[in-house]
Amino acid sequence: QSALTQPASVSGSPGQSVAISCTGTNSDIGGYEFVSWYQQHPGKAPKLVIYDVNNRPSGVSNRFSGSKSGNTASLTISGLQAEDEADYYCNSYTSTTRYVFGTGTKVTVL
Amino acid sequence: EVQLVQSGAEVKKPGESLKISCKHSGDTFTNYWIGWVRQMPGKGLEWMGIIYARDSNTKYSPSFQGQVTISVDSSISTAYLQWSSLKASDTAIYYCARARDGLFYFDYLGQGSPVTVSS
Repeated sequence: QSALTQPASVSGSPGQSVAISCTGTNSDIGGYEFVSWYQQHPGKAPKLVIYDVNNRPSGVSNRFSGSKSGNTASLTISGLQAEDEADYYCNSYTSTTRYVFGTGTKVTVL
Repeated sequence: EVQLVQSGAEVKKPGESLKISCKHSGDTFTNYWIGWVRQMPGKGLEWMGIIYARDSNTKYSPSFQGQVTISVDSSISTAYLQWSSLKASDTAIYYCARARDGLFYFDYLGQGSPVTVSS
């Protein structure tokens, strides 16, 4: 089971929107509605920001949204803020190994 | 308040054994699967394996099968990750994470346990 594919980095200015893609296969993203996204600030533990493709946990800003089409999921951050600068990882349930993470994307706020 | 509190930093030599822990509180432990995630220095997250606290049903990522052992002691709401013979390449931060049975995302993660293996 290879890691899901994410762009290494994306950037945007404050107030803009950025989107992070996460590409898998029919055995993971394409086969289930179980995509989640995690935010990790430097030196901190990852934190759940989206679950089941497009649901936000309580306390997570509504500037974070998720979607999925075929074998690719996406995380969109709207109204980009300095505090959004972090690494982001997608994760999917998979029929082969149960879970797989994405390669990770560094979001830079210009 | 839900908490996953992990054991502290470890410094070990190659060939030594190690068992790190993850103590769950604030909710019913046996309703959850507890997974382990590796993050090597400067690298991304890797899913290692997961155990169901109610019956110890365990699933491993093929990359970690046979390399580590995941266990649980439900009487003290604690999950474990252990190695019988550490390698330098095991140097990483290890996070525990919980997923409610029937759900497929990690709603809480521990603070991380740094492990350094060096001669």
